[in-house]
Amino acid sequence: NAGVTQTPKFQVLKTGQSMTLQCAQDMNHEYMSWYRQDPGMGLRLIHYSVGAGITDQGEVPNGYNVSRSTTEDFPLRLLSAAPSQTSVYFCASSMTGTSGRYEQYFGPGTRLTVT
Amino acid sequence: SQKIEQNSEALNIQEGKTATLTCNYTNYSPAYLQWYRQDPGRGPVFLLLIRENEKEKRKERLKVTFDTTLKQSLFHITASQPADSATYLCALDEVGTYKYIFGTGTRLKVLA
Repeated sequence: NAGVTQTPKFQVLKTGQSMTLQCAQDMNHEYMSWYRQDPGMGLRLIHYSVGAGITDQGEVPNGYNVSRSTTEDFPLRLLSAAPSQTSVYFCASSMTGTSGRYEQYFGPGTRLTVT
Repeated sequence: SQKIEQNSEALNIQEGKTATLTCNYTNYSPAYLQWYRQDPGRGPVFLLLIRENEKEKRKERLKVTFDTTLKQSLFHITASQPADSATYLCALDEVGTYKYIFGTGTRLKVLA
């Protein structure tokens, strides 16, 4: 199993550009999520999904969109990039059941710089 | 709002000693608490999970305690090794949701 994969590994955008960060998992996990990690801030939840067709907002959803058309894929879209979105982005997946009961598997991350 | 506090200062410890990391939380009572390890430039990796009705959980050289009265979890690494050097994160879920909250992590450095 490849686990959780993310592409690209690195990306530089200009302010106002849009892009999609890709995330895929091959563990048949229903739960998938996106986090951003900034120095001194820890991991903050952007959006999450508990199954295909079901998404919800996390702590810091503004400026990001998600959709979940398949169990395997959970792309994160930046509609109009801003310097404040410079960060490292992690995708994670887990089994779904009693909340908090199952460990999350994380991807390797995407380092995004917005100039 | 929910909040998790971990010692943001790095912890330096001599090889062979026991490292103890602290995770304090406020405002709610989670059913589960998780600990992760993160190496530079990589995603977090799950280590241990402890339930609210468990006082202690062990896995090899790792031990986690969970005190719901103090709202605190302690993470211990016994016989620490330089390879244990990493950042350790604790995480909780907001009860009744699938929203996970992570602490900022504590950086551990084990000196040879």
